[in-house]
Amino acid sequence: DVQLVQSGAEVKKPGESLKISCQGFHYSFTTFYIGWVRQMPGKGLEWMGVIYPGDSYSRYSPSFQGQVTISADKSINTAYLQWSSLKASDSAIYYCARHTDYGSRDGFDLWGQGTVVTVSS
Amino acid sequence: QSVLTQPPSVSGAPGQRVTISCTGNSSNIGAGYAAHWYQQLPGTAPRLLIYGNNHRPSGVPDRFSGSKSGTSASLAISGLQADDEADYYCQSYDDRLSGSVFGGGTKLTVL
Repeated sequence: DVQLVQSGAEVKKPGESLKISCQGFHYSFTTFYIGWVRQMPGKGLEWMGVIYPGDSYSRYSPSFQGQVTISADKSINTAYLQWSSLKASDSAIYYCARHTDYGSRDGFDLWGQGTVVTVSS
Repeated sequence: QSVLTQPPSVSGAPGQRVTISCTGNSSNIGAGYAAHWYQQLPGTAPRLLIYGNNHRPSGVPDRFSGSKSGTSASLAISGLQADDEADYYCQSYDDRLSGSVFGGGTKLTVL
């Protein structure tokens, strides 16, 4: 099946670093944009940024610029979202999602299962 | 404050029809970018419901339909069923933000 599989739940302390992953299966991973979306507890969806795995071109929402880093390793069909110093307010579910073949200005037709990140002292 | 505005909640009885609005502006829906809709059942990831304003992916029942006019889009659900209870989100692209934008989400309750 065509799918995005995300890494498992994480529990971290404030100030720690973290890198979560999103691996694509059974499609041409390098030719579809991948976006990252945050969902805080009980809240809506927020677009964080996007990456084109073919050349690792990335773009960020102003709200997340400088707060996270999006990267990709096309050799293993995987995109990443990382933090250098977590805060309690980073506790959320993080989804990766694939844009349609119309590109990064279009919708998301495939979603990962989500990675729960909990940051607590 | 979301860039796209949706009503926080809507409700309807089984078999009825409901609509959910999504209001944008001249830098997103009004600029000609398509609106897309997602259904998020409790405890699950979002699922694409409508793309390109009014197209259904395979597997989505034709009870779900979308439309767009000017700076707004709408999702209509007819023949409401209990398992339609979910959160619904609209999404588009925004020129000013140079990225995707979501509505705040609408909780559908089937009475």
